[in-house]
Amino acid sequence: KAGVTQTPRYLIKTRGQQVTLSCSPISGHRSVSWYQQTPGQGLQFLFEYFSETQRNKGNFPGRFSGRQFSNSRSEMNVSTLELGDSALYLCASSTMGHPKNTEAFFGQGTRLTVV
Amino acid sequence: KQEVTQIPAALSVPEGENLVLNCSFTDSAIYNLQWFRQDPGKGLTSLLLIQSSQREQTSGRLNASLDKSSGRSTLYIAASQPGDSATYLCAVGPYNAGNMLTFGGGTRLMVKP
Repeated sequence: KAGVTQTPRYLIKTRGQQVTLSCSPISGHRSVSWYQQTPGQGLQFLFEYFSETQRNKGNFPGRFSGRQFSNSRSEMNVSTLELGDSALYLCASSTMGHPKNTEAFFGQGTRLTVV
Repeated sequence: KQEVTQIPAALSVPEGENLVLNCSFTDSAIYNLQWFRQDPGKGLTSLLLIQSSQREQTSGRLNASLDKSSGRSTLYIAASQPGDSATYLCAVGPYNAGNMLTFGGGTRLMVKP
């Protein structure tokens, strides 16, 4: 059974550009969550999608957005990139969504570097 | 607002030692608690999931306990091996709020041969 797949694995972008990251959850999982990991702030929740609807959102500016498709694949977009957006972006999939939570399985992450 | 703390932040032990990693959380209204392992630059590997109604879970040399009323969890690693070297993270899942995990800062473990 394939795990959570995130693409691309590495990205280098320039300040002011925008970027789109992709996440394919485990087959049968309908909940996809996104997290940002930085050395200073640790792992922080960005948002969760379930059945193509955003169910939860963390405390991040509107430049961070996402969506989920009918096949449960999810994308997150960051517009007007800032140096502080450099981080490891992790995607997690779970079988169920709101209100119950279940075991989360994470992908390998996308390492974004903003220069 | 839920806050999760892990102590110690770093730990270095000789191979073969049994060790305990600690995790504390401020809001006891949790649905579950999950322990993860992260190798440098990699994603998170789920180790153990404890539901709020459970007291402990075991997998191989790993045993995790949960005391929800006191806001504490421990991860016990028996007979540590160099391959156990990694960062260990605990995360709590809220009750009735979906898959929105709050993570601790992690414990960086080094097991020396």
